[in-house]
This record gives sequence, C-alpha cells and structure tokens, in this order.
Amino acid sequence: SQKIEQNSEALNIQEGKTATLTCNYTNYSPAYLQWYRQDPGRGPVFLLLIRENEKEKRKERLKVTFDTTLKQSLFHITASQPADSATYLCAPGGGGFKTIFGAGTRLFVKA
Amino acid sequence: EAQVTQNPRYLITVTGKKLTVTCSQNMNHEYMSWYRQDPGLGLRQIYYSMNVEVTDKGDVPEGYKVSRKEKRNFPLILESPSPNQTSLYFCASSLGEPSSYNSPLHFGNGTRLTVT
Repeated sequence: SQKIEQNSEALNIQEGKTATLTCNYTNYSPAYLQWYRQDPGRGPVFLLLIRENEKEKRKERLKVTFDTTLKQSLFHITASQPADSATYLCAPGGGGFKTIFGAGTRLFVKA
Repeated sequence: EAQVTQNPRYLITVTGKKLTVTCSQNMNHEYMSWYRQDPGLGLRQIYYSMNVEVTDKGDVPEGYKVSRKEKRNFPLILESPSPNQTSLYFCASSLGEPSSYNSPLHFGNGTRLTVT
C-alpha cells in the first residue's frame, strides 16, 4: 500500500539556521508533491507544490526538492525564525480524487 | 474573505447520540473532503465529493455519512458516534480535482470531537 514517511521526531534548530525536513514515499509515483504548514489548533495551509519534472522550487525563504529516483522530497527553510515553528505536512499527489498526507514533522525554532 | 467554515469548533457528546458537523465554503469550489487527524497517524480521508450529489469513500469511511445537496455545503454525519471517533476533524475544499496542479486544498479550522 502507499506509504508516506516524515520524521516523527521534532526538529529543534536555532534561529537563523536552515531547517531541512524530509518526506519519503513508497509504492507509488506521484505526479507532484505538496507541502502544507499546520499551526496548533488550526487547519493546514498550503505552501508549495513541486511537479515530478521539477528538481527544485523556491518561494521566498522556502525551497523544495523532489527526487523521483530516491522517492523523496526535502523541504528547506533558510534563515529560520521562531515564527516558522509549526508542523509541516507533505502530500504526494496525482492519484485522482484522494489526497494522502504524511503524519508531519514538528519544527521548533529557538530564538 | 475566502474561507472554509466548520461548526462547531468543539463538541462533546455521548455514545450513540447522532450529530452533524457542518462545513461551508465560499469559494465556489467543486471538490470538498473530510479528514480526521489523530496523533501519529496524520490526516486520513473520510469522504470526498467531486460535485453536487457526487460523493465517494476515502480511506476511513466506516461510521460516517456525508451529503452534498448544495455546492457550498458538505456536512459530516455521525449516526451513532462511538469513542473511537474521538478525533480532530477537518473539512477542506479545492477548485477542482486535487491532482490538478492548480488545485491545492483549503482547510477549515477543525472540529475537536470527544465521544464519551
């Protein structure tokens, strides 16, 4: 069955450093992959989408890579700030009307 | 303001007492979906709807019902709630089929349900 793995352990980093989050998937080949941010008690918010033919996508301090050979996406936040503290979810897609999410990685950025 | 609105935000009920969680979107989106979120399990899809009067099961549909009589509304119905349905529920909508590149999901702020 399709499986998505994100680091279950929280990631703690110092303000100003680059945070790198990993999303691995198995048993399918998504046409694209989305990343969402979720704050406590709130619904996820869409951040970025990267397509299978794109190696890298950037948006302000965010960068996403998509390696279809490794079946992995990396999500980077450069010059991280305490306001970046949240849970980040990946969602490989292209499978029609169903959307499958990873369990998410909790990021803490210390001032 | 474009948004997905869920009500109520918090709900405590007892086993077997029928309840409905409402969801409404004001973006004229065709696609709507319900998810439940449990610690360590992530978001799991319950039901989804591609358009009015068209619904289909997600990965965990047992114990839930939905309806899509109007484009903007997609209520989630628990006919006989049980404690294992205690969870955080999210409604979401998108412009079209989520596999479309221009169709990210917009989520509501969630309904925390406790069934005792």
